[in-house]
This record gives sequence, structure tokens and C-alpha cells, in this order.
Amino acid sequence: DIQMTQSPSSLSASVGDKVTITCRASHNIDTYLNWYQQKSGEAPKLLISAVSSLHSGVPPTFSGSGSGTVFTLTIDSLQPADFATYYCQQSHSVPLTFGGGTKVEVK
Amino acid sequence: EVQLVESGGDLVRPGGSLRLSCAASRFAVDSNYMSWVRQAPGKGLEWVSVIYSGGSTDYAHSVKGRFTISRDPSRNTLFLQMNSLEIGDTAVYYCAGGSGDCGTDCYDYWGQGTLVTVSS
Repeated sequence: DIQMTQSPSSLSASVGDKVTITCRASHNIDTYLNWYQQKSGEAPKLLISAVSSLHSGVPPTFSGSGSGTVFTLTIDSLQPADFATYYCQQSHSVPLTFGGGTKVEVK
Repeated sequence: EVQLVESGGDLVRPGGSLRLSCAASRFAVDSNYMSWVRQAPGKGLEWVSVIYSGGSTDYAHSVKGRFTISRDPSRNTLFLQMNSLEIGDTAVYYCAGGSGDCGTDCYDYWGQGTLVTVSS
């Protein structure tokens, strides 16, 4: 099975900050990497697919990069609506696996 | 607008059974792939099972042999039959649908979740 490891598990930031979250895969997953945002008490929402393709309606302040085993999610100029937990997910092979999540909190 | 609405979550004793449903609107359960994803209280997301448009299925190791995913195109509904439930199965269960627009095995539609509590 492919293990997904996110870092950090949590971070504190202020509105306007640039935030970077890293996701590492235990095996090469090419570009089969997706990112989701989950706010407290809500279902996850797809943010980015295939490493860097922004889902419909996602602001361009979000971006993704990487390939193989190391991937990053970057939020330029953090907005109040961006305080949430972020998960990476590999879609290379079953069983599908998620990272442990990164909680972005208000500093 | 696509809607996925789960139901069937409940309090059940260890060893018991439960069937979850996910009614889909504006999203054909037999033309797309769909998964169940769960989230234990205060924990992260865990993929449970998938059914593809062709009907093939797969399961997480932790539920294989105990859970069965299925669908009823006539009702446009996805199901998860859960048997031999364990305390560790306690979670909010989400159904998630992939239209294929975002690639393979990524999920652009999610339900609101239904809570399954396994406790004696």
C-alpha cells in the first residue's frame, strides 16, 4: 500500500501569509495526487487534482506542484475562508490513501 | 446541481450490521465511479470502498470481507452493507462521486455524511 505523509500536521498563520504544505508518498505515484479542503463539521471539497489542476471555483491563490513522491500545496495570501484542514490523496492505486491532514489555524 | 445524500447511520452493537445509502441527484451512480470514505471522530479521512462504472469493486484491508459496496441504477443510489461491525468502524461515512473530470479516483462530489456508532 502507498503511505501518504503530510507535514506539518498543523500550522498557525495570519491572513495574507503564504502557506506551504508538503505531502510525501512512500512510492512513486507520478502525478496521481489530489488535494482536498475540509472545514469543521463539513464534508471535504476537492481543491486540486492531478497535482496542479484547480477544481472549478477554487481561487487562484491555491496552487500545487510536484511529481513522483514529493508534492506541495501552496496558498498565496491566506484568506479567512482558507482556515481549514487540508488532505492529500493518492489516486495511483487501490487502496486509495489520504495523508493525515494539515490543520491551518489562525495565528 | 449534483447532490449526494447519505442515510442509514445509527448506533449499533459490536457484531451487528447496518446498510448505508447514498441517493444521488444529477449524478448517475452507474456511469461514474463512487467511493465510501470515513472519518473517525477527530481523525483524518480513510478510504473504505470503491465501485467503478463497469461494476468492479475494491475495499480497504480493514473492511474486506465485512463490507459490500453496491448500487441500484433504478434508484440511482449507492449502498454500503456493513456486517460484523467493530468499535473501530465508528465514524462519519461519506459517499463521494468522481465524474472523471478530475481524472481517475479523485472525487469532485461529496455527501454530507452519516454517523455510524458501534458501541455496546
